[in-house]
Amino acid sequence: AQTVTQSQPEMSVQEAETVTLSCTYDTSENNYYLFWYKQPPSRQMILVIRQEAYKQQNATENRFSVNFQKAAKSFSLKISDSQLGDTAMYFCAFLSSNTGKLIFGQGTTLQVKP
Amino acid sequence: DAGVIQSPRHEVTEMGQEVTLRCKPISGHNSLFWYRQTMMRGLELLIYFNNNVPIDDSGMPEDRFSAKMPNASFSTLKIQPSEPRDSAVYFCASSLALGDYEQYFGPGTRLTVT
Repeated sequence: AQTVTQSQPEMSVQEAETVTLSCTYDTSENNYYLFWYKQPPSRQMILVIRQEAYKQQNATENRFSVNFQKAAKSFSLKISDSQLGDTAMYFCAFLSSNTGKLIFGQGTTLQVKP
Repeated sequence: DAGVIQSPRHEVTEMGQEVTLRCKPISGHNSLFWYRQTMMRGLELLIYFNNNVPIDDSGMPEDRFSAKMPNASFSTLKIQPSEPRDSAVYFCASSLALGDYEQYFGPGTRLTVT
């Protein structure tokens, strides 16, 4: 069975600085996708970024980028130029191409300080 | 475009009562997922459908929980009878298809059972 681990329950960063959230996963599958979702206090789950396992190039979306290390089964999220609106809980998630199941990590609460 | 729609947004009920949560997926999406989020257990996948057919209900906690998808634009999650430990936020999500596409989440229903 697949598992997703986020080892940082809470993190904080000063506005305009850069922060990296960690995520590791375990799977025996070769075809899968990885995601980061953001959940602000409104509790809406918002898709931040997506990475296909077959792609070596790391995904980027504006200030958000990932460091995908397939061999190490690591998938970290880097937020550059942090903004107060980035304050939220961030979830790493694994999507199995075989089953279609999305497995979430425990989440990391990020606070951006002014 | 309208996103995933869930109703009600909040539900407060007494133990023993029947609760029905509703979801309308994004038009054109063929897969629908029900999740439950609690502090203790995080985000859990309860059940998912593909083309209106239940694919995997292994996450449904007990027989008190049931879900249906009578057509492509509507799904329900029912709890009967409800118990205080069912208190949680219930999310519905949809995707174009299983396995290769990101899931888009509704705003969630916060259920409180007293």
